[in-house]
Amino acid sequence: DTEVTQTPKHLVMGMTNKKSLKCEQHMGHRAMYWYKQKAKKPPELMFVYSYEKLSINESVPSRFSPECPNSSLLNLHLHALQPEDSALYLCASSQVPWGAFFGQGTRLTVV
Amino acid sequence: SQQGEEDPQALSIQEGENATMNCSYKTSINNLQWYRQNSGRGLVHLILIRSNEREKHSGRLRVTLDTSKKSSSLLITASRAADTASYFCATGIGDDKIIFGKGTRLHILP
Repeated sequence: DTEVTQTPKHLVMGMTNKKSLKCEQHMGHRAMYWYKQKAKKPPELMFVYSYEKLSINESVPSRFSPECPNSSLLNLHLHALQPEDSALYLCASSQVPWGAFFGQGTRLTVV
Repeated sequence: SQQGEEDPQALSIQEGENATMNCSYKTSINNLQWYRQNSGRGLVHLILIRSNEREKHSGRLRVTLDTSKKSSSLLITASRAADTASYFCATGIGDDKIIFGKGTRLHILP
């Protein structure tokens, strides 16, 4: 199984809502990632987990809260988001020295 | 954060021609990776070249890496309509950090 599965595919949420994005991989990769991508822009790194521990936080606002319950799952909890947070959120996993496998993303709209 | 700059930003070529994209970066790297993205969905990993390698091939893809100039190039030979996509270089830094460049939008004309 070489897939990274993200749910949901689309999400519309209000600025006072709390929601979560989910990501799952069964390739045994030790590193898992969250990226944010705006239209016609490259993916921007948000968080990296290595062996289920948060290893990189790229100064992401606290309204985004990552969680890694186990080696196969990665969540991104969202709270009090702003309209400018609307974007495609991509999850990925990798195992050095190979490249990363990406999910199809969650397209998030904040209203 | 971003560190890769792709050149050109957009490229249109006839089907069957070769396409070359360049990438420059700023910091020391462990590896450099190239990805393809269709229609704003998930990225597909194409090829990874380690910092101690100079050239790598995979099918119709050829990647070069010049660490002294902090630059890389991706050559796609005999282009096809299905190659129309955005292509990103990404630098592998430290153990796990992967930072993407701005990307090249490639359009293959029939």
